[in-house]
Formats: sequence, C-alpha cells, structure tokens
Amino acid sequence: SQTIHQWPATLVQPVGSPLSLECTVEGTSNPNLYWYRQAAGRGLQLLFYSVGIGQISSEVPQNLSASRPQDRQFILSSKKLLLSDSGFYLCAWSAWTPGMNTEAFFGQGTRLTVV
Amino acid sequence: DAKTTQPPSMDCAEGRAANLPCNHSTISGNEYVYWYRQIHSQGPQYIIHGLKNNETNEMASLIITEDRKSSTLILPHATLRDTAVYYCIVRSPTGNQFYFGTGTSLTVIP
Repeated sequence: SQTIHQWPATLVQPVGSPLSLECTVEGTSNPNLYWYRQAAGRGLQLLFYSVGIGQISSEVPQNLSASRPQDRQFILSSKKLLLSDSGFYLCAWSAWTPGMNTEAFFGQGTRLTVV
Repeated sequence: DAKTTQPPSMDCAEGRAANLPCNHSTISGNEYVYWYRQIHSQGPQYIIHGLKNNETNEMASLIITEDRKSSTLILPHATLRDTAVYYCIVRSPTGNQFYFGTGTSLTVIP
C-alpha cells in the first residue's frame, strides 16, 4: 500500500533562518506531488505541485521554493523565513493516470512557527 | 477549475444524518466533484468523489443534482468523530491541482 511521510511534525524557527521540509511517498511510482499551506483558521492554499522529477509549478509567488530531486521526494525550502511563513504545511500525492481522476492523499503536516 | 461555495458552519445531532451542501454552478462537463474532511491539526482525508451519478461508499453518500450545479455530502449516522471541516472541490480529469475553499465546519452535538 502507499504511504506518505512528512517531517518534522512541529518546528519553531527564528526569523531569517533557513527552512527545509521533506516529504516522501512509498508504494507508488511517478506520483503527482503537492505542497499546501494552511494559515491559522484558514483554508488550504496550494503552493507548489510537481508532475515529475525536476518539474515544479508554483501557484503563489512567495518566499518559498520547492524541489523534487527524486521521483518520490518533495522538498519545501526557504533561504530566510519571515513571520508570515508560519502555518501548517501539508504534503500530498496523487496517482498519475492519463485522462483519469484520482484522489489526493495527504501527510499529517508540519506545524511551523516562525518567531 | 470551477469554484465552490459552502456554508461556513453547520451543527448535527449525534446519530442523525448530516447533509452538507455545495454549490458549483460553473462546473464544466468533465469536472468531478470531490469531498475531503480535515480533523483539527491533521491532514485532509479523502471521502468520496463523483461525476454525474450518485455515489456511496463506507463513509458517505454523494448526491449530485441533474444539472450538476450543486451536490450534497451525506453522513448517514453522524458520530462525534465526524466533527471536522468538510471541503468540496471540483477538478478536471487533466487538472493536476486540487484547489480547496474554506469548507464547512461541521460540529456533531451529543
């Protein structure tokens, strides 16, 4: 069966420090991968998605970047965190099948607090 | 992808059916309707999806109107563990993105 791992679960970082959040998927090949952010009391905002290694699409211009160095690895990064980067970060994957809908599966999230 | 409109909050008595509405009046002919829920501080959980026909699984039923401009998620016997934010999403077959709105916060009352 497929599983998604996301770590760390919680993170407290000072303003101006770098960030690296990692997400890995097991049990599937060539998944679509997603990073979402959820500010306190708000809905989910799609930040990045990737349909393959090295292919990253950015949905919202911001202080963050994403990379996909391996088929089942998705990394969210920042060189210098801002207070506004605080939030709940979620990684998700969906199977890629041409012309067919597939549901997305989410990790358990990382709660980032920038202080 | 089409946008969706949901009421911000709803209450439901434990053991009763919870009916969560969603409007998607600009939905295209090939776009599917998906439902997810998010329990506090967890990742969203997939519930069900459909195109035209009503769908049922072990978690819920999805009723889509004939004109496909709205749908209703039905939890047949709500329990306290069903308290969560429920998201309705429309997505095209070729669309890679899942766009979430603000959802409906369902509170199941004992």
